[in-house]
Order: sequence, then structure tokens, then C-alpha cells
Amino acid sequence: TQLLEQSPQFLSIQEGENLTVYCNSSSVFSSLQWYRQEPGEGPVLLVTVVTGGEVKKLKRLTFQFGDARKDSSLHITAAQPGDTGLYLCAGADSGTYKYIFGTGTRLKVLA
Amino acid sequence: NAGVTQTPKFQVLKTGQSMTLQCAQDMNHNSMYWYRQDPGMGLRLIYYSASEGTTDKGEVPNGYNVSRLNKREFSLRLESAAPSQTSVYFCASSEMAGSGANVLTFGAGSRLTVL
Repeated sequence: TQLLEQSPQFLSIQEGENLTVYCNSSSVFSSLQWYRQEPGEGPVLLVTVVTGGEVKKLKRLTFQFGDARKDSSLHITAAQPGDTGLYLCAGADSGTYKYIFGTGTRLKVLA
Repeated sequence: NAGVTQTPKFQVLKTGQSMTLQCAQDMNHNSMYWYRQDPGMGLRLIYYSASEGTTDKGEVPNGYNVSRLNKREFSLRLESAAPSQTSVYFCASSEMAGSGANVLTFGAGSRLTVL
């Protein structure tokens, strides 16, 4: 069974601080995605990383896929209250149609 | 620009009752999925349909059945609801299963409480 563990589970920080969220697995994924979910809504895709070692930037968010394609990280620089939400990583296994989601990191950024 | 539409948004059932969650997408996507979300457990895949006419079990299929009615619609049925099925259910669709660039588009969720 493929599992994706995210850490930390909860994070409460002040506006302007930096933070990193981790997504780890013992399994290899063909691609990995990060989603953000706000209360009462479904998750919305932030980014997809496909190549081991790949780094993608989305404004103040930096995503990295591990060299072995088993782990990923999300770094937020100068967090803002608008970044508050639940962050989920999801791994896709090549040859199947299953997306396995991580346990989630709930982020709260205080003004 | 509806995307993925789920009904109902909220439902309260008694143990043993049955109900069907409906999902429809208007993006001409091939693949559709049902997930459940519980606190501290992220999203868990219940069933998925890679294409019209096919369905397969996910991580937690017990107690559920699905029907891919046509390309647009994918329903989830609880035949005999149990309190353990209290959860928020999300339907999602994607254009092409198995691709590294595959993007899941989610509905807004259906909150189910089983008493």
C-alpha cells in the first residue's frame, strides 16, 4: 500500500515568516502534485512535478521533487494570511489511475 | 463554467438507510473519482472510473457501490449506511488517467452524517 506522510500536520505562523512542508513516501511516484484546499471547497491544484530533482516556483511558493521521486517539499516565503488553508500532496503511480493523497498540513497564517 | 457538480451538499441519514451521491462534470473528462475526507487522514480513494464503462476499487471501497452512468455522470451509493461512513465526500474528474500531467478537478463536496 502506497502511503504519503506529510509533516507537520498543523502549522501556525506569523505573517512574513517562512515555512516548509514535507511529503514523504517509501514508494516511487511518476509524478507528484500539490493541492490547496479552503474550508467548504474541494482541493485546487497548485503544481505538478514530474522529474526527480525538479524545482518549480509559483510566486512565493517553491516546490521540489526528490531525486528518487519518493518525496517532495513545499516552501513558502514571507507567508501571508491568504496562504491559510489545507495543503495536500498527491502521488500518481505510472500505469494506474490512482492518485494517493497525503495526510495534509493545515496552515494558519496570522496577521 | 460549472466544472464538477455534486449533490446533495449536506445529508443526514440513520444507520441502515441508503442513499446515492450524484456527480456530474461538464469538461468532457474521461476519468472520474470518488474520495472521502476525514480529519487527519487526507483524502482516500473509494472508487474510480478510468473511462466510461469501467469502474475499479480504490483504497476504501467496502460499503460503497458506484455507477458510471455515462461520460458525464458518476454516482456513489451507500446501500446500508453506517456511522463510520460519516465523512465529507468529494467527486473529481480528470482528462486523461495515467498521465504525469493529469489534473484532478474537484467538486465542492458532500457532507454526510450517519446517526
